[in-house]
Amino acid sequence: GQQVMQIPQYQHVQEGEDFTTYCNSSTTLSNIQWYKQRPGGHPVFLIQLVKSGEVKKQKRLTFQFGEAKKNSSLHITATQTTDVGTYFCASFNTNAGKSTFGDGTTLTVKP
Amino acid sequence: DAGVIQSPRHEVTEMGQEVTLRCKPISGHDYLFWYRQTMMRGLELLIYFNNNVPIDDSGMPEDRFSAKMPNASFSTLKIQPSEPRDSAVYFCASSLGRTGTRSTDTQYFGPGTRLTVL
Repeated sequence: GQQVMQIPQYQHVQEGEDFTTYCNSSTTLSNIQWYKQRPGGHPVFLIQLVKSGEVKKQKRLTFQFGEAKKNSSLHITATQTTDVGTYFCASFNTNAGKSTFGDGTTLTVKP
Repeated sequence: DAGVIQSPRHEVTEMGQEVTLRCKPISGHDYLFWYRQTMMRGLELLIYFNNNVPIDDSGMPEDRFSAKMPNASFSTLKIQPSEPRDSAVYFCASSLGRTGTRSTDTQYFGPGTRLTVL
């Protein structure tokens, strides 16, 4: 089945610094989803990418889907303390009807 | 909409006891998922249902775990007997299903049940 690997596992940044997490797969993905989980909270859907080379932005967040549809990235510009949490990528298998989640990247931001 | 509702939010029990976790999905959603989250193993899919029918239970750890969905608005995850290694946060999530639009793939998670087995 589809497997997605995420790096890094942890990232500590100073407030104002940029942050990037990467999601990689050995197989072509039909789509990629990104979720954010705040400490003590539950995963919350952020965005879905489906097209090769697709780039989407949400304020300071930029999401990219690779040309080969085997990797994706989430970039946060000028991090804020409200950005802390774990960011998961997931790939939804349309035929199987379920998502495969990466292990997540936990971001901490030092004020 | 109230979102996905889970109960209880916290459960502390002793080893050997039966535990039942409950979930009410978002009305109209065709898919329901049960996940377990631990520091060691991350977010694991245990089982999911489509239109109340279990589709894939390959993630269920062992026979002590069982899940049911008697109707479109209710599902349970039962652990009998419980063991300390079952301690985790259990999430229920639902999604609209495959109707041809991208947004149907979005999973909406409930707040989770934090289970502690002593």
